[in-house]
Amino acid sequence: GQQLNQSPQSMFIQEGEDVSMNCTSSSIFNTWLWYKQDPGEGPVLLIALYKAGELTSNGRLTAQFGITRKDSFLNISASIPSDVGIYFCAGHDNYGQNFVFGPGTRLSVLP
Amino acid sequence: DGGITQSPKYLFRKEGQNVTLSCEQNLNHDAMYWYRQDPGQGLRLIYYSQIVNDFQKGDIAEGYSVSREKKESFPLTVTSAQKNPTAFYLCASTFGWTGTEAFFGQGTRLTVV
Repeated sequence: GQQLNQSPQSMFIQEGEDVSMNCTSSSIFNTWLWYKQDPGEGPVLLIALYKAGELTSNGRLTAQFGITRKDSFLNISASIPSDVGIYFCAGHDNYGQNFVFGPGTRLSVLP
Repeated sequence: DGGITQSPKYLFRKEGQNVTLSCEQNLNHDAMYWYRQDPGQGLRLIYYSQIVNDFQKGDIAEGYSVSREKKESFPLTVTSAQKNPTAFYLCASTFGWTGTEAFFGQGTRLTVV
């Protein structure tokens, strides 16, 4: 079946640093989504991307839909302690009911 | 406030028991989904429903059952046939049959004791 790969698997950064993580797929998607999940909670949608090459921002977060439609990246600028959590990417082909989720990148922010 | 509500937050099941996880949404979304989350893995689809009284199996439906008698509700039953039910279960919904933005509930952690 379809799979998404996320890298890095985990990262430790200092408060105030910028963060970059990416998501790659062996298949083409027409929609890319980025979610953040706090421990013991459900994922919260951060950014949705609908067009190849699209660059979208949400506050300190910026995400891009790769030109090949097989990848996406998420940047977080000037990290703060509440950025701690697991960041998931998801792809959707816009036709079926199938969202494909990556395994997540676990972010830790050190004071 | 509109949203998706899952209950209970924590659930303990004895071996051989069936348990039912509740999922209710007031977003007027058409499609609802159940996912299972295990550490270090992406979410895996158990069942989904696009319309009342209709639902489809996902990738890991064995040992689970669902119903969709109302648009707002999509309960999941974990049966005794599910051999490894300890996991975090997430319910989601999308607007329209082919909605591309999934919104999630808070999750239910099921533990077999």
